[in-house]
Amino acid sequence: ILNVEQSPQSLHVQEGDSTNFTCSFPSSNFYALHWYRWETAKSPEALFVMTLNGDEKKKGRISATLNTKEGYSYLYIKGSQPEDSATYLCAFEGGGSNYKLTFGKGTLLTVNP
Amino acid sequence: DAGITQSPRYKITETGRQVTLMCHQTWSHSYMFWYRQDLGHGLRLIYYSAAADITDKGEVPDGYVVSRSKTENFPLTLESATRSQTSVYFCASSNTLEQYFGPGTRLTVT
Repeated sequence: ILNVEQSPQSLHVQEGDSTNFTCSFPSSNFYALHWYRWETAKSPEALFVMTLNGDEKKKGRISATLNTKEGYSYLYIKGSQPEDSATYLCAFEGGGSNYKLTFGKGTLLTVNP
Repeated sequence: DAGITQSPRYKITETGRQVTLMCHQTWSHSYMFWYRQDLGHGLRLIYYSAAADITDKGEVPDGYVVSRSKTENFPLTLESATRSQTSVYFCASSNTLEQYFGPGTRLTVT
């Protein structure tokens, strides 16, 4: 069973704060690292798919970096807003895995107005 | 409407009963997946399918059966439901780049 760890488990920030959280994954047999945003009572939605070491992706105030050699990815949110409150999931996709994803348990972000 | 749908959205069943959860997608994606979501475990893969008539086990397949006679449908059957199968079940399909999730089925086994 692959080990995909996310930290912290939960995070409370004030509106306007910038924040970041971590995903660690196996550094061997890497194919892609996925980030999903999961709002309460909804289904997960894809944020980023990252494949190359050193990759950086950005969507609005959210960005992510990838280090495949050491097996970690960071997700950054700049100037958090209450609507950013959600669980952020990362998922590891190994080579030859038939597009199967192994998910971390997520980081629950709460942004207080 | 295009997308991925699941039915029913909510289901209560008794221990020992057979129950089938339906998943339908309109994108003609080859790959489809079933996950369960439980507190403390996150999303865990039950079964997946690479194409019609091709299915394989995921991390937690025991007690579940799947079939895929048509590309667009991927039903999940609990042959004899147990309380430990109380969970929220998500179906997903993939265009090989991203997975797209359905709205989920909340199943309670009493």
